[in-house]
Amino acid sequence: EVQLVESGGGLVKPGGSLRLSCAASGFTFNTYSMNWVRQAPGKGLEWVSSISGSSTYIYYAASVKGRFTISRDNAKNSLYLQMNSLRVEDTAVYYCARVQLTMVGGVHVFSPTGPWGQGTLVTVSS
Amino acid sequence: DIQMTQSPSTLSASVGDRVVITCRASQSISNWLAWYQQKPGKAPNLLIYKASGLESGVPSRFSGSGSGTEFTLTINSLQPDDFATYYCQQYNTYSWTFGQGTKVEIK
Repeated sequence: EVQLVESGGGLVKPGGSLRLSCAASGFTFNTYSMNWVRQAPGKGLEWVSSISGSSTYIYYAASVKGRFTISRDNAKNSLYLQMNSLRVEDTAVYYCARVQLTMVGGVHVFSPTGPWGQGTLVTVSS
Repeated sequence: DIQMTQSPSTLSASVGDRVVITCRASQSISNWLAWYQQKPGKAPNLLIYKASGLESGVPSRFSGSGSGTEFTLTINSLQPDDFATYYCQQYNTYSWTFGQGTKVEIK
């Protein structure tokens, strides 16, 4: 059974840092790309970042580029999101999701493939 | 960025009803579209991939159709467990964008 379990959320002051983790099990982790997606309280879903299985391809949303860093440790079946210079508007539940990377017409496509984690809440407030 | 617009934002329906939710993309996304169901306090659950592919374990009363810029999610014979918020999502490029959501409420 595919399982994704996020951790590392909490309360942090504006300008602070936090590192989220996503522990994966039930599938061959290094053969899948992974995404982070967030959802502010009472709001819709926002893609944050993507990373390919070997970490060769990494993408960020404009709203987090330069502040967040996605990484993975395939030996530990784990995905990470290092979040620096946090802002009040980064307050959200952060989900990790398994995806499949394909190349279509020279463009990377990250296809959703199954369950997301349960999410971890990040609150940025003074 | 590709914008996704869902309609309606809220839908009131009864058990047994047929429900149709529409999603429109700001430019052609071929069939790179997914649909999710989300219940309060839970993660989104993938229902449909590639516009019409039914995810494993999802009841057959859910179906998706469309290509290009216009897509629909149909729920045949709405069940009590189906009252939730539904999101469409495009993955035509490396970045995902989601519709604003459609809340299906009990009439």
